[in-house]
Amino acid sequence: DGGITQSPKYLFRKEGQNVTLSCEQNLNHDAMYWYRQDPGQGLRLIYYSQIVNDFQKGDIAEGYSVSREKKESFPLTVTSAQKNPTAFYLCASSVGLAGVYNEQFFGPGTRLTVL
Amino acid sequence: AQSVTQLDSQVPVFEEAPVELRCNYSSSVSVYLFWYVQYPNQGLQLLLKYLSGSTLVKSINGFEAEFNKSQTSFHLRKPSVHISDTAEYFCAVRRSGGSYIPTFGRGTSLIVHP
Repeated sequence: DGGITQSPKYLFRKEGQNVTLSCEQNLNHDAMYWYRQDPGQGLRLIYYSQIVNDFQKGDIAEGYSVSREKKESFPLTVTSAQKNPTAFYLCASSVGLAGVYNEQFFGPGTRLTVL
Repeated sequence: AQSVTQLDSQVPVFEEAPVELRCNYSSSVSVYLFWYVQYPNQGLQLLLKYLSGSTLVKSINGFEAEFNKSQTSFHLRKPSVHISDTAEYFCAVRRSGGSYIPTFGRGTSLIVHP
């Protein structure tokens, strides 16, 4: 089955530690995205990538980093510089960014809790 | 830039009653519009979308939304809800054509009571 996988589903970390969230897709999509979801705030874009080895900051990139070394993978690192990292993180992908091919498919999410 | 306003953060309704979840957008250019549904602790799933053509779009599970350009709205409706429709619903807008990222609303929690 084609889709997007995120692991782990739940993640606990101590304050001050960096943590990396995994996102893998087998949909052969060029574009991938990371969103942060907090109660009552909807989805906020952290980073996106249109193609391998290229990525762009979204609205709330501070304290986060990404890489896109393979088409299928777009890991997100939450660094110790992120002041309030506890949230639900969603990864998404789309065929591309342009026109009608922008429809996004979402992974199941990772809930990060920083203690 | 575009923006989305979902006017209700929570909508409680009884089973088999009709429901409307409101979405208004702001954009100076033409747009595509989307409704997504999110069940607890899951990702978002596309419910329906308006790209062009008929202003009334329908999903396979009985939801429909109508694009109203003059009122800049894309309200989601269902004539009779089921307990299983309890979820968070997100409206999203993106500029049509070109390469743009969608903007999401804050979500509306639909709570269906027996």
